[in-house]
Amino acid sequence: EVQLVESGGGLVQPGGSLRLSCAASGFTFTSYCMSWVRLAPGKGLEWVSSITGGGSTFYADSVKGRFTISRDNSKNTLYLQLNSLRADDTALYYCAKATGHIDPFDYWGQGILVTVSS
Amino acid sequence: QSALTQPASVSGSPGQSITISCTGTSSDVGGYDYVSWYQHHPGKAPKLMIYEVSNRPSGVSNRFSGSKSGNTASLTISGLQAEDEADYYCSSYISSSTLVFGGGTKLTVL
Repeated sequence: EVQLVESGGGLVQPGGSLRLSCAASGFTFTSYCMSWVRLAPGKGLEWVSSITGGGSTFYADSVKGRFTISRDNSKNTLYLQLNSLRADDTALYYCAKATGHIDPFDYWGQGILVTVSS
Repeated sequence: QSALTQPASVSGSPGQSITISCTGTSSDVGGYDYVSWYQHHPGKAPKLMIYEVSNRPSGVSNRFSGSKSGNTASLTISGLQAEDEADYYCSSYISSSTLVFGGGTKLTVL
């Protein structure tokens, strides 16, 4: 059974940093592109970033230069380093597994909340 | 990376059919057959309903179907059921290996 479990969220001040983790199980982690998608309060889903099995990375313009996606294939874990956080980064962050190059996302985690506020 | 355009809300009665549109440009929806649709019940993980415009993953009811014409993709749900009430999002691959979602549509089953 595929499982994706996010952790590392919380309350952080504007300008602060946070690292999210996503522990994956139930599939061959190294073979799949993994992504982060977020859902801000009152808004729709927003693609944030993706990383292929080989380590190529892609970012939405809204987070480029501030967020860094990475993966540790030995630990079956996906990461998202969030720096220079802003109030509009407040959202539920989902980890998602893709079946293709970047998408579609056939499995999602339950999400982890990041709140940016002073 | 502007969001794809979806109606904010649609509604229908049980047993009826509804269609949700997803409008983009020739750089996203019109340019690639990589449109997906997701169902999201608040508090739960989103669920893939349609991929590559019109393909259904295993386990998804055949009441859900997808299509595309030009820069607009559509999700049709036939034989509406109470459990279909949810938020629906389209997404499209765009150039440089990036992805864009629609703004989401709230489906109400009357």
